[in-house]
Amino acid sequence: AQKITQTQPGMFVQEKEAVTLDCTYDTSDPSYGLFWYKQPSSGEMIFLIYQGSYDQQNATEGRYSLNFQKARKSANLVISASQLGDSAMYFCARSTGTASKLTFGTGTRLQVTL
Amino acid sequence: DAGITQSPRHKVTETGTPVTLRCHQTENHRYMYWYRQDPGHGLRLIHYSYGVKDTDKGEVSDGYSVSRSKTEDFLLTLESATSSQTSVYFCAIASGTSKETQYFGPGTRLLVL
Repeated sequence: AQKITQTQPGMFVQEKEAVTLDCTYDTSDPSYGLFWYKQPSSGEMIFLIYQGSYDQQNATEGRYSLNFQKARKSANLVISASQLGDSAMYFCARSTGTASKLTFGTGTRLQVTL
Repeated sequence: DAGITQSPRHKVTETGTPVTLRCHQTENHRYMYWYRQDPGHGLRLIHYSYGVKDTDKGEVSDGYSVSRSKTEDFLLTLESATSSQTSVYFCAIASGTSKETQYFGPGTRLLVL
């Protein structure tokens, strides 16, 4: 199976600081997408950001940016100016195939402290 | 808001009983998916659909079947529930934009006793 690896089961960050959540992936497909989702304690899955494998520039969405290093097969999420509401589980995922099926990592639990 | 609802939101059932979970969308998306979420595994794809009556298996399809008789509804059936199927089940739809982002429903929490 082509895996998604998130090596940080838990992270702490102080409010207003930046934090990087790591994600590496396997794939033999030339075309794929990379996604980050946020899951707060209430349980819903919230889409944050997308990066296409052919995109030349790193994706950004507000305080979220994706540090895409294709040769290293890494897609790290950077959250700038952390807020208490950023405390949640964060999942990295990769899409493959015409149906864009997602394979997820096991997640990183981020806790933002005062 | 991607217009996805799941029903029921919570269910407790007994081993060996059939269970059907419903996913309903209001935005006419072609692709619909069922995932399960378990501790330590993230989300794993069970089945997906690429149109009415067109479905295919995902990574963890054993013990599950699906049906899609209308664009807006995608049903997941556990023919004979087992305790290993206790999980949180998420439905997702593909947005149809060039990015093909999947948006998720609120989830169904299933407990099989």
